Amino acid sequence: NAGVTQTPKFQVLKTGQSMTLQCAQDMNHEYMSWYRQDPGMGLRLIHYSVGAGITDQGEVPNGYNVSRSTTEDFPLRLLSAAPSQTSVYFCASSPTGGIYNEQFFGPGTRLTVL
Amino acid sequence: AQTVTQSQPEMSVQEAETVTLSCTYDTSESDYYLFWYKQPPSRQMILVIRQEAYKQQNATENRFSVNFQKAAKSFSLKISDSQLGDAAMYFCAYRSWEYGNKLVFGAGTILRVKS
Repeated sequence: NAGVTQTPKFQVLKTGQSMTLQCAQDMNHEYMSWYRQDPGMGLRLIHYSVGAGITDQGEVPNGYNVSRSTTEDFPLRLLSAAPSQTSVYFCASSPTGGIYNEQFFGPGTRLTVL
Repeated sequence: AQTVTQSQPEMSVQEAETVTLSCTYDTSESDYYLFWYKQPPSRQMILVIRQEAYKQQNATENRFSVNFQKAAKSFSLKISDSQLGDAAMYFCAYRSWEYGNKLVFGAGTILRVKS
């Protein structure tokens, strides 16, 4: 199993550009989520999904869109990039939304917005 | 809202010694889980240990153990016989049903291991 994969690993954008961060898992997990990691703030939840076709907002959803058309994929879209979105982005998955489940994380994407 | 506080931005330990990382959390719920995640320089997040709030016995995983004090809302991580490979950022995290089963992280503690 590849686990959770994310592409790209690094990305530089200009203010106002749009892009999609890709996330895929091959473990047939129902629950997937996106976090951003900023210095001194830990990881903060952006959006999450409890299954195909179902998504919900996390703590910091503004400026981001998600969709979940398949169990495997959970892309994160930046509609109009802003310097405040410079961060490291992590995708994670777990078998279900059960609170006891370990979340498996991807390797992260470092995004810089100029 | 649930919050998780890690009051030690950085800690240092000598190789083979023991170190304790602190974590406190704020909640009014009785059913929840607590986690410690490790993030080495590779950036990969790795689960170290988890604790169910209803279990009084402290969780242990080899050299890693926790001191869970439910009434005090404290969840510290003890690393025994520290190794160079333990050097990383450590995050404490909380998850409960009442909060939409979302994982809430603390700000993290950087652990440095001296040889």
